[in-house]
Amino acid sequence: EDKVVQSPLSLVVHEGDTVTLNCSYEVTNFRSLLWYKQEKKAPTFLFMLTSSGIEKKSGRLSSILDKKELFSILNITATQTGDSAVYLCAVEDRGSGNTGKLIFGQGTTLQVKP
Amino acid sequence: ETGVTQTPRHLVMGMTNKKSLKCEQHLGHNAMYWYKQSAKKPLELMFVYNFKEQTENNSVPSRFSPECPNSSHLFLHLHTLQPEDSALYLCASSQHLLANEQFFGPGTRLTVL
Repeated sequence: EDKVVQSPLSLVVHEGDTVTLNCSYEVTNFRSLLWYKQEKKAPTFLFMLTSSGIEKKSGRLSSILDKKELFSILNITATQTGDSAVYLCAVEDRGSGNTGKLIFGQGTTLQVKP
Repeated sequence: ETGVTQTPRHLVMGMTNKKSLKCEQHLGHNAMYWYKQSAKKPLELMFVYNFKEQTENNSVPSRFSPECPNSSHLFLHLHTLQPEDSALYLCASSQHLLANEQFFGPGTRLTVL
């Protein structure tokens, strides 16, 4: 059974700290891994990773994929209170018929205290 | 604003009611999705539509009935729901099925009494 597991489930840090969020997966027909940030309702897209070892970077956020060990990490440096959110990892299972099915992890709830 | 809108934002209904959730995307995308997000559980894919045709039904009970009249609109018709159906229902769209980035709407918070 396909699954995506994120850790930790929740995390409390102080502003300025660096955090690393983890996502491991078991998917039959892996196509890509995506990270989303969900602050209140709508998840917003952060990164899409398809190749191992190539870091994607956007400001203080960066992410990398290891297709051999089947995991990805999301790093946030110099955290700010505005980074407080649920971070979702999703893996696209190509499956049969290219349905574009995304399998989501449980999410990591990050709280950044002033 | 992601270009995907959902109405209503909140809905409270009894188990015998019939209601519909609406999703509209203004992005010119061809694929649309319904997800269910329950407390402390991962987002669950419910339905996928590509060019108005349903391509995925993730074993969803028949009390949830999707409708996609065109590539910009997606409905979820609800009838005889159960309290355990209370959740956040999220709509998303993508350029096409093979486009990984899905844009999500704000969701409808549904409470079934």
